[in-house]
Amino acid sequence: EAQVTQNPRYLITVTGKKLTVTCSQNMNHEYMSWYRQDPGLGLRQIYYSMNVEVTDKGDVPEGYKVSRKEKRNFPLILESPSPNQTSLYFCASSFSLAGGRSEQFFGPGTRLTVL
Amino acid sequence: GDSVTQMEGPVTLSEEAFLTINCTYTATGYPSLFWYVQYPGEGLQLLLKATKADDKGSNKGFEATYRKETTSFHLEKGSVQVSDSAVYFCALSRSAGNKLTFGGGTRVLVKP
Repeated sequence: EAQVTQNPRYLITVTGKKLTVTCSQNMNHEYMSWYRQDPGLGLRQIYYSMNVEVTDKGDVPEGYKVSRKEKRNFPLILESPSPNQTSLYFCASSFSLAGGRSEQFFGPGTRLTVL
Repeated sequence: GDSVTQMEGPVTLSEEAFLTINCTYTATGYPSLFWYVQYPGEGLQLLLKATKADDKGSNKGFEATYRKETTSFHLEKGSVQVSDSAVYFCALSRSAGNKLTFGGGTRVLVKP
């Protein structure tokens, strides 16, 4: 089954404790991205990757890191989480088509609470 | 920069009622336009899309037409069901980078 998986689905942590949220896709997509969803703000892009070893900042990258060592995986790293990073996080992937025409496939989400 | 504005919810309807969710956008060039739906506890999934002016996207009884002259992509369904209760997001993308710019989302609740 074609899918994007994320782990963990739920995480409660404390300020400053490093954490990693994993994301994996099995569709051989070049493009992967992380979004955060906050009430009334929709989804905002954190980081994206056009292919292996190619990553770039989205709209809200502060406090986050990513890496793309393999095509299927795109982990999101919070080196020192803070309460303002409490949010619902989504990983997405797609093929890269000109003009942004490609459908993005989303993971089930990770609800993160930073105390 | 790019932006998407959609009507705030929640929108509460009775079953078999007509649904419209307004969406307008600001972007240079010719973006692709999307409606994504998020059912409770799930990730987003594509509902429909349109990639050029006057295109009509349709799926599961939902329709939206890409209107470049009014920079709009309003979502409509003629007869909603309880199972259509969800949050609906309008979004655009205009680059090979595939970045999606989302509206704030509209929660729809359909009552029996």
